[in-house]
Amino acid sequence: QQQVKQSPQSLIVQKGGISIINCAYENTAFDYFPWYQQFPGKGPALLIAIRPDVSEKKEGRFTISFNKSAKQFSLHIMDSQPGDSATYFCAASKNNNDMRFGAGTRLTVKP
Amino acid sequence: EPEVTQTPSHQVTQMGQEVILRCVPISNHLYFYWYRQILGQKVEFLVSFYNNEISEKSEIFDDQFSVERPDGSNFTLKIRSTKLEDSAMYFCASSVEGSGANVLTFGAGSRLTVL
Repeated sequence: QQQVKQSPQSLIVQKGGISIINCAYENTAFDYFPWYQQFPGKGPALLIAIRPDVSEKKEGRFTISFNKSAKQFSLHIMDSQPGDSATYFCAASKNNNDMRFGAGTRLTVKP
Repeated sequence: EPEVTQTPSHQVTQMGQEVILRCVPISNHLYFYWYRQILGQKVEFLVSFYNNEISEKSEIFDDQFSVERPDGSNFTLKIRSTKLEDSAMYFCASSVEGSGANVLTFGAGSRLTVL
């Protein structure tokens, strides 16, 4: 009930390509869906987040698509750059008190 | 830019020993959290803390764990008797509020190795 499932586990994309990472959740009480970016040796940093009252949110090259009926959401990185190479975690929470993370996707963007 | 500071960055300890991990949250933040990440695995929620008491804890946060805000600036995680499976990266986080779409700011983490 509390799980957040993330795929793929790893992703290799050419520079300029589109990176797509998918997540699915089970608990319909979740009302906040952030994506975190983590570089080696660093803590996760918030990248972009969405609430379930909208189906899409775009910030620069990063877009979240949200499908409430399917309980799925995805991160799209347009024009992927080598500097985007990192581990990406989706997460879901209600009230920030118990944020549940996906297993992570290691993205490698090849020059 | 304000940041969450964690010490030590790496601690090695013997099984059965007590460990205290320290965090200095962002000064105007009111909600504090501990998460852990076993190497190569997902980030897992441990506990949230507000107004000097635990507001939520996960099934991982058993009697071996405790948290404290001893002096108004530090936020500590104590593991009473460490086990091998406690080896992980421990992240402290803080936020201004505990509800709604509030940003959690994470520290760089404390790596705990239990031998």
